[in-house]
Amino acid sequence: GDSVTQMEGPVTLSEEAFLTINCTYTATGYPSLFWYVQYPGEGLQLLLKATKADDKGSNKGFEATYRKETTSFHLEKGSVQVSDSAVYFCALRERGQNFVFGPGTRLSVLP
Amino acid sequence: DTAVSQTPKYLVTQMGNDKSIKCEQNLGHDTMYWYKQDSKKFLKIMFSYNNKELIINETVPNRFSPKSPDKAHLNLHINSLELGDSAVYFCASSQDLPSASGNEQFFGPGTRLTVL
Repeated sequence: GDSVTQMEGPVTLSEEAFLTINCTYTATGYPSLFWYVQYPGEGLQLLLKATKADDKGSNKGFEATYRKETTSFHLEKGSVQVSDSAVYFCALRERGQNFVFGPGTRLSVLP
Repeated sequence: DTAVSQTPKYLVTQMGNDKSIKCEQNLGHDTMYWYKQDSKKFLKIMFSYNNKELIINETVPNRFSPKSPDKAHLNLHINSLELGDSAVYFCASSQDLPSASGNEQFFGPGTRLTVL
């Protein structure tokens, strides 16, 4: 079945550091790929998405590029802020199927 | 306006009790979901439901049952609560098109269930 793998956390960075959270996936077809963010005490909210190979999703300074050849969708941000501290989930969805979420990666940004 | 709402936000109860969590979405979506999130933040889908089909994750105990009075609501009823049911439960919704995969899910704020 389909699956999503993320780098294990927690990830701890200083403010203004560069962020990468790795995500790789296994799918039988051509899924859409998503990054969701969960701030403390809240539900998940969509951060960005890409629906086909080579698409780049971006939002709030975060970016991720759909790489079909490496089955990856790594999340990057050039300069993190304390307010970016949250849990980040990579997810995929194939046509007619349910979402498949990764295990989440906790990010802590220190001032 | 809140897109997906859940009540209650916190629920503390004794083992063996029966409880319900309510979920409502005002997005006009045709599919709703229930997820369980454990203490390590791992998300597990429990049910997906639209007006045609209920899909149950086979690992979910039959003590858990979804009830949908209408398209905008999907409530979660839990019988004979156990200690291991303690978790955060999230409701979500999406507009599902069989030919597309890019529609996002919208999540509710979660219900933290504590079984004593």
